[in-house]
Amino acid sequence: GAGVSQSPSNKVTEKGKDVELRCDPISGHTALYWYRQSLGQGLEFLIYFQGNSAPDKSGLPSDRFSAERTGGSVSTLTIQRTQQEDSAVYLCASSLVGGPPWGDTQYFGPGTRLTVL
Amino acid sequence: EDQVTQSPEALRLQEGESSSLNCSYTVSGLRGLFWYRQDPGKGPEFLFTLYSAGEEKEKERLKATLTKKESFLHITAPKPEDSATYLCAVQGGANSKLTFGKGITLSVRP
Repeated sequence: GAGVSQSPSNKVTEKGKDVELRCDPISGHTALYWYRQSLGQGLEFLIYFQGNSAPDKSGLPSDRFSAERTGGSVSTLTIQRTQQEDSAVYLCASSLVGGPPWGDTQYFGPGTRLTVL
Repeated sequence: EDQVTQSPEALRLQEGESSSLNCSYTVSGLRGLFWYRQDPGKGPEFLFTLYSAGEEKEKERLKATLTKKESFLHITAPKPEDSATYLCAVQGGANSKLTFGKGITLSVRP
């Protein structure tokens, strides 16, 4: 079946502009995650959506970052007033369940490479 | 706070030379330990989930094992196509996020 898809695959923007990154999770997956991967850094968690619950925003680095998930499916990550340090690969993942007690496997999309000039 | 440390940072092997990649972790209430493979320019590809100490899983030339403090990814008779970055991550307690190590870059020479 279809995996997680993300668009665009690459985005180049100028400092100060806003950008929107899109994620389509695997059909039927109720949990959706955003991560960021910077050069020399591991993947870092940004935000998590589970069903109709309030999202876990604990990983968002600043209030310039926000995300929404419409209809329990597609998600958009928005970065306002982009800065050069926002340059990274933004990865989306989805999973079937997303809650305790068992760990559930997250499946990743191909990522969006964001470059802020 | 959950922590994951992977070693070595990079590993170069000759084709057919077996080895192991290490993942040390600290987590409160382990729910799962995950191994992923990542090729350049691509997203992480799921390999294994381990849930409790003593568990082992195998897939082709790869075998993942888990203790209470670390996990090993054993690669038997590797081939050049096994060259990639291998990522380890944990999920613990009430957190649903994954905490990742920085990865191990494996290069297998023909």
